[in-house]
Amino acid sequence: EAGVVQSPRYKIIEKKQPVAFWCNPISGHNTLYWYRQNLGQGPELLIRYENEEAVDDSQLPKDRFSAERLKGVDSTLKIQPAELGDSAVYLCATAGQGWADTQYFGPGTRLTVL
Amino acid sequence: AQTVTQSQPEMSVQEAETVTLSCTYDTSESDYYLFWYKQPPSRQMILVIRQEAYKQQNATENRFSVNFQKAAKSFSLKISDSQLGDAAMYFCAYRSAGGNTGKLIFGQGTTLQVKP
Repeated sequence: EAGVVQSPRYKIIEKKQPVAFWCNPISGHNTLYWYRQNLGQGPELLIRYENEEAVDDSQLPKDRFSAERLKGVDSTLKIQPAELGDSAVYLCATAGQGWADTQYFGPGTRLTVL
Repeated sequence: AQTVTQSQPEMSVQEAETVTLSCTYDTSESDYYLFWYKQPPSRQMILVIRQEAYKQQNATENRFSVNFQKAAKSFSLKISDSQLGDAAMYFCAYRSAGGNTGKLIFGQGTTLQVKP
């Protein structure tokens, strides 16, 4: 069974530029999470989806971050415009049986903002 | 709010020996889950072991076991017969059992070095 797929693996951009990250969940997984992991720290939740609905986006900086999950499968996380402090690893995790199920993580996208 | 603390930024162990990673947490909830995740340099976070707070028996997965002390809010991970492939960053994480959240709260991580 294929795991969580994320792309790109690495992204380097200039500040004020837009950037987008893509996540493809494990087949059949309806719950999807985006986490941000700063260097040397544990991940922090940005947003959770149940199917196509964002049920918890309280930690998402909505002035510059946006996310979508069309058709309840793939998800995209966008930053516009990026700031130096956005440099981090962005992790996608999915779960099969809702919020109470074990989360499986993708390899992440390492973003560097110059 | 719940917090998770890992007080050992780095640990090292000799191959084939045993090492224990520490984790403490703070919560006012009585029902929750605790996890240990492993993150190798490739960055793919892998679940190592999971513990339900309502279970008194400590969870075990092959060479990995936990010492869950609910009253002390302590959740340590013991790795027996350490292997080179165990080298990674290990994160302790907490999740509420209720509240329809699913949010994992992570500690700062412990980097484990395994010496041949």
